[in-house]
Amino acid sequence: EVQLVETGGGLILRGGSLKLSCAVSGFTVSNNYMSWVRQAPGKGLEWVSVIYSGGNTYYADAVKGRFTVSRDNSMNKVYLQMYSLGDDDTAVYYCTRDRSGDGIFDYWGQGALVNV
Amino acid sequence: DIVMTQSPDSLAVSLGERATINCKSSQTIFFTSSNKTYLAWYQQKPGQSPKLLIYWASTRESGVPGRFSASGSGTDFTLTISSLQPEDVAVYYCQQYYRTPIAFGQGTRLEIK
Repeated sequence: EVQLVETGGGLILRGGSLKLSCAVSGFTVSNNYMSWVRQAPGKGLEWVSVIYSGGNTYYADAVKGRFTVSRDNSMNKVYLQMYSLGDDDTAVYYCTRDRSGDGIFDYWGQGALVNV
Repeated sequence: DIVMTQSPDSLAVSLGERATINCKSSQTIFFTSSNKTYLAWYQQKPGQSPKLLIYWASTRESGVPGRFSASGSGTDFTLTISSLQPEDVAVYYCQQYYRTPIAFGQGTRLEIK
């Protein structure tokens, strides 16, 4: 069974840092493209970042230079390190699998709330 | 960047009736070399994570009921629920994956009339 479990969310002061983790079971993160998608309270979905199977990373303009996505192949985890957090970063952050690397998100975690 | 715009923002439909949600992209999301349209639809029920319903504009994800269908080409797309069920109450999002940054529509809230 596939599971994605995000942890590390919480209440953080403006300008602070936070690191989210996504523990994956049921598939190997290093063989897949993994994205983070966020959702501000009562708002829609916003793509944040992706880490490719080859290790390349890409970010939305809103977080470029402040967020870093990484993974630990031995732990089968994906991370999102967030710096210089502002009010606009308040959201539920979802870890997702990008099927085939095309941008089709077939598995989603339950989300982690970051409250700035 | 490609902008996705859905209409309407909210919709109330009677049980058993048809629900139609529209999505428009600011530029084509059809890739000629692959002959594929880079559009997906997601369903998000209250308090839950989004769920993939449709990809490549019209391919239903495994396990998705047959009452869900989608169509469209170029820049205009439609998600149709042929006979609305109580469990279909949700917010529905379209998404383009033709080009980074990946973009979602603003969502359409579907309720029972």
